[in-house]
Amino acid sequence: DIVMTQSPDSLAVSLGERATITCRSSQNLFYSFNNKNYLAWYQHKSGQRPKLLLYWSSTRASGVPDRFSGSGSGTDFTLTISRLQPEDVAVYFCQQYYSTPRTFGQGTKVEVK
Amino acid sequence: QLQLVQSGSEVKKPGASVKVSCKGSGYTFAGYKMHWLRHVPGQGLQWMGAMNPESGGTNYAQRLKGRVTMTSDTALNTAFMELRRLEPDDTAVYYCAISWTLEDGIFNFWGQGTLVSVS
Repeated sequence: DIVMTQSPDSLAVSLGERATITCRSSQNLFYSFNNKNYLAWYQHKSGQRPKLLLYWSSTRASGVPDRFSGSGSGTDFTLTISRLQPEDVAVYFCQQYYSTPRTFGQGTKVEVK
Repeated sequence: QLQLVQSGSEVKKPGASVKVSCKGSGYTFAGYKMHWLRHVPGQGLQWMGAMNPESGGTNYAQRLKGRVTMTSDTALNTAFMELRRLEPDDTAVYYCAISWTLEDGIFNFWGQGTLVSVS
């Protein structure tokens, strides 16, 4: 199984400031035949269902604000929230869909400082 | 609009079984694999497996093989996940999810979740 490791486990950021989360996979998630990284990011608010934010490492899902961006390739990826808003308080997960079983990072809790 | 609506919370004793349902609407139910995932407190999200409603084919996570069965009733547009021989560590919120018009494994639609408590 591909192991996904996120850091940090939690972070506190002032409103309007940048939050950065990293995700590392134990195997390469880049598929050369289509030049794509099989990596997604989700936002999970307490008591709600997870919400897809980004896929193919950097493609925003429908309706996701442009303050959310993703980067990285191969085994190292980053989720950036450029200007933290109160509604961004949540746990964020990375997930690989390169192979089965699909696996997730342990989650990063983002709070307001 | 596309919706996945799950059955309600369950409380079970260790050793019992639970069956969670997930009714799809607003899309072609048989056209998309139904995935099941769970959020275990302190352990994050875990993919449990998936089933193809059209063929009935399934793919289960190794850790759950022998305890989980995923089925569907296409006439009812409903998928089911049964977990047997429940243990306290199975306490979690269980979700169904699909990859609608995206690569399989990109979960862009989720059910609301079903809390299963085992104690």
